[in-house]
Amino acid sequence: QKEVEQNSGPLSVPEGAIASLNCTYSDRGSQSFFWYRQYSGKSPELIMFIYSNGDKEDGRFTAQLNKASQYVSLLIRDSQPSDSATYLCAVTRSGSARQLTFGSGTQLTVLP
Amino acid sequence: ETGVTQSPTHLIKTRGQQVTLRCSSQSGHNTVSWYQQALGQGPQFIFQYYREEENGRGNFPPRFSGLQFPNYSSELNVNALELDDSALYLCASSHRDSADTQYFGPGTRLTVL
Repeated sequence: QKEVEQNSGPLSVPEGAIASLNCTYSDRGSQSFFWYRQYSGKSPELIMFIYSNGDKEDGRFTAQLNKASQYVSLLIRDSQPSDSATYLCAVTRSGSARQLTFGSGTQLTVLP
Repeated sequence: ETGVTQSPTHLIKTRGQQVTLRCSSQSGHNTVSWYQQALGQGPQFIFQYYREEENGRGNFPPRFSGLQFPNYSSELNVNALELDDSALYLCASSHRDSADTQYFGPGTRLTVL
């Protein structure tokens, strides 16, 4: 079992729709949860982080965390073609080195 | 505020050679982490540096080594390059007080022939 699992996609949504991206993790000791966006040929860009159970909203993005189910999701409202990218879920555990453990990413395409 | 920078952008080496990649952390950040990203995969943690000391290491062989300098910039050295070392190498910086929140540089694309 991978430490962090994501559906690889591709996920296609029409412009203006809600895109829902999901991620599960295996280590119950995971403490912090991140979503990065990566455009083709570019480096990952941090878009959201969440530490506590529940929802966290930032503009069109909402991160949701359920530690009991070991599940974290990202909702993108009013999806735009510029949101087309690979979305990487990452988690950290307690310890001196706060390394990010990534999933393989979900490729999102927003269709005009 | 200056972001994370990396050099060079692209590099081509042959098997068995050695390579040094460089990273300057974002201003105010004192912790640097290095990741390797193979095509179609998420980044994998190589190691992290804080106060010029290695602060944690992923599942990479000793031929991957690093340094951090007093100005928090960092180098990644890879000896005896193998074909599988071809990847995007990413540097991420963070502040020790919020070390989880890491910001990536543009990366170095290494090709090993």
